Amino acid sequence: KAGVTQTPRYLIKTRGQQVTLSCSPISGHRSVSWYQQTPGQGLQFLFEYFSETQRNKGNFPGRFSGRQFSNSRSEMNVSTLELGDSALYLCASSSGQSNEKLFFGSGTQLSVL
Amino acid sequence: QKEVEQNSGPLSVPEGAIASLNCTYSDRGSQSFFWYRQYSGKSPELIMSIYSNGDKEDGRFTAQLNKASQYVSLLIRDSQPSDSATYLCAVNINSQKVTFGTGTKLQVIP
Repeated sequence: KAGVTQTPRYLIKTRGQQVTLSCSPISGHRSVSWYQQTPGQGLQFLFEYFSETQRNKGNFPGRFSGRQFSNSRSEMNVSTLELGDSALYLCASSSGQSNEKLFFGSGTQLSVL
Repeated sequence: QKEVEQNSGPLSVPEGAIASLNCTYSDRGSQSFFWYRQYSGKSPELIMSIYSNGDKEDGRFTAQLNKASQYVSLLIRDSQPSDSATYLCAVNINSQKVTFGTGTKLQVIP
């Protein structure tokens, strides 16, 4: 089985721009969760999608949004980028059942200049 | 109060010793508990899950859960240099949201 695929691997943007990150889950997985990882804050939950519906959301501003397509692929968008948005963005897939473990992609390293 | 708390370390242990990693959580309704390992520059990977009070062993790893004390721990026996990594405690707060601690960095000294 192919793992979780995230693209692009690296991104450099400037303040005020917007960015879209992509995540393809493991085949058969219907849940995709997004996390932001920074050295000081660790892994912070952004949101989780299941069958094209957002089921849960973390405490991030509305500039962070996402969506999921019928094939379970997910995208995350960040508008009006700020310097503090520089981080590793990880997506994780699972079957979506409770207690299921998460499988992580390699992440997208976003640098905002 | 953070939902999941871990000591950031680093925790240094000599090769062959037992490494003990600890985690506390705030939500008494939490049902599922996980330990992930993250090597530098890599993404987290699951090493243990535990759902009921007591111990769960898998090879050199033992996870311990005490729901009354809201405490979960990971023991690594016969620690190896290859175990040097950051260990993340994760708690399933509700069915769809998994919250992570900030991680404990483990250094195994040869």
